[in-house]
Amino acid sequence: DIQMTQSPSFLSASVGDRVTITCRASQGISSYLAWYQQKPGRAPKLLIYAAFTLQSGVPSRFSGSGSGAEFTLTISSLQPEDLATYYCQQFNSYPHTFGQGTKLEIK
Amino acid sequence: EVQLVESGGGLVKPGGSLRLSCAASGLAFINAWMNWVRQAPGKGLEWVGHIKIRADGGAVDYAAPVKGRFTISRDDSKNTLYLQMDSLRTEDTAVYYCATAGFKTGYYYYDFWGQGTLVTVSS
Repeated sequence: DIQMTQSPSFLSASVGDRVTITCRASQGISSYLAWYQQKPGRAPKLLIYAAFTLQSGVPSRFSGSGSGAEFTLTISSLQPEDLATYYCQQFNSYPHTFGQGTKLEIK
Repeated sequence: EVQLVESGGGLVKPGGSLRLSCAASGLAFINAWMNWVRQAPGKGLEWVGHIKIRADGGAVDYAAPVKGRFTISRDDSKNTLYLQMDSLRTEDTAVYYCATAGFKTGYYYYDFWGQGTLVTVSS
């Protein structure tokens, strides 16, 4: 199975900050990666697929980059509503494993 | 508007069984690859399994922890996805989500999710 490792596991930042979350795969997964946002008590929401393609309706302050085994999710200017846990998921092979999550706190 | 509504969760004793349903609307369910994902209390997301559409052979894949105990099926006439869970263990306690699979330019992702249903396995 492909292991997905996110860093950091916890992040505290201020409104307006640029925030970066990293996701590393235990082997190359090309660009078969998606990012999700999960707010407390809610279902996950798709933000980005194919490593960098923004899902329709997602604010442009979110962006994704990377390929192979290292990927990043960037929030260019953090907003209060971005309080959530963020997950990456690989689709290169089954099982479609998730990272362990990055919990983002607003200072 | 796509809607996925899970039901069937509840409290069950270890070794027991439960069947979850996911009723879909607002999409061509017959053409949708469907997935189950779970989340134990306070933990991250875990892929449970998926089922392809009949046109793709209706194949099913499972995560190792549930293989042989869980069965995913679908009834396209009812626009409903199922998860039959047998031989339940305490570690199966989680919120179970169904999600649709989207495809674009060869890439795959989960674009619509239900609200989840809580399964608690405890004596």
